[in-house]
Amino acid sequence: ELKVEQNPLFLSMQEGKNYTIYCNYSTTSDRLYWYRQDPGKSLESLFVLLSNGAVKQEGRLMASLDTKARLSTLHITAAVHDLSATYFCAVGLMNRDDKIIFGKGTRLHILP
Amino acid sequence: GAGVSQSPSNKVTEKGKDVELRCDPISGHTALYWYRQRLGQGLEFLIYFQGNSAPDKSGLPSDRFSAERTGESVSTLTIQRTQQEDSAVYLCASSFINEKLFFGSGTQLSVL
Repeated sequence: ELKVEQNPLFLSMQEGKNYTIYCNYSTTSDRLYWYRQDPGKSLESLFVLLSNGAVKQEGRLMASLDTKARLSTLHITAAVHDLSATYFCAVGLMNRDDKIIFGKGTRLHILP
Repeated sequence: GAGVSQSPSNKVTEKGKDVELRCDPISGHTALYWYRQRLGQGLEFLIYFQGNSAPDKSGLPSDRFSAERTGESVSTLTIQRTQQEDSAVYLCASSFINEKLFFGSGTQLSVL
């Protein structure tokens, strides 16, 4: 059974600092997604990572995927208050058109 | 439509009543997912439809929950004899096969 674990689950950080959110998953996968959710809102897609070593960046966020370690990271550079949200990673099973399982989410709170 | 549409946006019901939630996916998307999100929690997988394949119902929490999908269009999630623990936001998402999910705004279900 596919399990997806994120850590930390809660992160409070100062503006201007860097930090990384980790996403580990239990079985081989070739599809890793990162989503953002603002309070009371639905989920918005940030990144889709489809191969080992994939790296994608948008603004202050950068996501990477290591399929051998079954690990993805979401790195935040010089955080700003607008990035406060909950971030979810999600994983689909390799080579199967199968369900996508989400981690529990990381609630990020950026202090001014 | 331009996005995934869910209705109703809010539903308040009495314990023991049945409820039906509707999801209109993005046209052409073969995959459709239902997730449940309790307050402050992550996304709990419920059911997955892919084209004409048999749905993956492995996430449905009890036999009070069922879902249908008509071809590659509308889906309905039905909860019979609702209980207070069913109170949550029910999120629907659709996608092309193996691509990122687009989420609806969700249905907030409150069981009194």
